[in-house]
Amino acid sequence: GAVVSQHPSRVICKSGTSVKIECRSLDFQATTMFWYRQFPKQSLMLMATSNEGSKATYEQGVEKDKFLINHASLTLSTLTVTSAHPEDSSFYICSARMGGMGNQPQHFGDGTRLSIL
Amino acid sequence: GDSVTQMEGPVTLSEEAFLTINCTYTATGYPSLFWYVQYPGEGLQLLLKATKADDKGSNKGFEATYRKETTSFHLEKGSVQVSDSAVYFCGRGGSQGNLIFGKGTKLSVKP
Repeated sequence: GAVVSQHPSRVICKSGTSVKIECRSLDFQATTMFWYRQFPKQSLMLMATSNEGSKATYEQGVEKDKFLINHASLTLSTLTVTSAHPEDSSFYICSARMGGMGNQPQHFGDGTRLSIL
Repeated sequence: GDSVTQMEGPVTLSEEAFLTINCTYTATGYPSLFWYVQYPGEGLQLLLKATKADDKGSNKGFEATYRKETTSFHLEKGSVQVSDSAVYFCGRGGSQGNLIFGKGTKLSVKP
């Protein structure tokens, strides 16, 4: 089946550091990739939608200058958390979808646990 | 706006018990419906899906039927195993191709 690889799986760093998370679709071309954030004991909240070759669409309340998203190819999207602070600590999950139809399932990466000290 | 509501957990069952996790969605349009499972320390995996009314999704003994009249997509399994312990998320397709999730239901199955 479709495989999405997310790297790194865990990051621990100091406050003020910028952290880049990669999301790769390994065996399919992902027209669209999504970035979610999961708070403890809560659901996944969509942060942004990323279409290859165009600017990401951010959800209300998500700072685009804080969470930089790049989707330069059909197999790679990156999320950079700039100048991370402890409140940015969370579980970040990407997903990728083939094609443009809404009924195509999304395939998720294994997530990145980000801990800011 | 569009939303998904699923029963709150945690749900604790004995092995071989019957499982039902309720899920309802807002009825804007005719969205595809999904169940995802998240095992401890891992990302989400698609468990099953249904794309139109009366469709039944099934996988690994789990089933869910797309009920338009009740806007529901309840997850069921006749006999759970310890290995089914995980968090289960109900989701519907959003207008931008994203997924809108419920808050998740943690299932613990005891031997």
